[in-house]
Amino acid sequence: DVVLTQTPPTLSATIGQSVSISCRSSQSLLHSNGNTYLNWLLQRPGQPPQLLIYLVSRLESGVPNRFSGSGSGTDFTLKISGVEAEDLGVYYCVQSTHAPYTFGAGTKLELK
Amino acid sequence: EVLLQQSGAELVRPGSSVKISCKASGYTFTDYYMHWVKQRPEQGLVWIGRINPANGNTVYAEKFKSKATLTADKSSNTAYMQLSSLTSEDTATYFCTRSRFAYWGQGTLVTVSS
Repeated sequence: DVVLTQTPPTLSATIGQSVSISCRSSQSLLHSNGNTYLNWLLQRPGQPPQLLIYLVSRLESGVPNRFSGSGSGTDFTLKISGVEAEDLGVYYCVQSTHAPYTFGAGTKLELK
Repeated sequence: EVLLQQSGAELVRPGSSVKISCKASGYTFTDYYMHWVKQRPEQGLVWIGRINPANGNTVYAEKFKSKATLTADKSSNTAYMQLSSLTSEDTATYFCTRSRFAYWGQGTLVTVSS
């Protein structure tokens, strides 16, 4: 199975600060069809996850553009340019290139 | 508007089975795979498997092959997951989520306790 390693496990930030989360895969997530199926999700307390980014860097409709994704192959990054209070929660990367699909362990974003 | 409405919380006995439902609306049910995801209390997300509602084809994560059974009813636009031989390790919130993980049900808490 593909292992996704997220770092850091916890992130403390002030409002307005820019932060990044890393997601590294144990194997390339480039599909034979040319797509890379790496998404980023945010789960706020008591809520189901919410899709932020799909196909590495495409912003889901309705998601603020302070969120951005980048990367290729095995290394991926989610960046938040100016944290807002509503961004607090746990961020997960998830890959759907290789079955079984797998999630990273999560990065908890807290207020400093 | 795409909505995935899951059935309510369940309290079940060890060794029994439970069937959770996920009713889809706002899109063509057979056009998208439906996935199921497990989340134990205060823990991360685990992919259980997915079903193609158009033809019933399923793919499971290895550890859930003898635990979960995914089905779909095209007539009612509803996906189901049955969990069998329940133990305390199965106590969790279970989510249905449509292809691309763009839409999620609200989650169904299954508590296994005697």
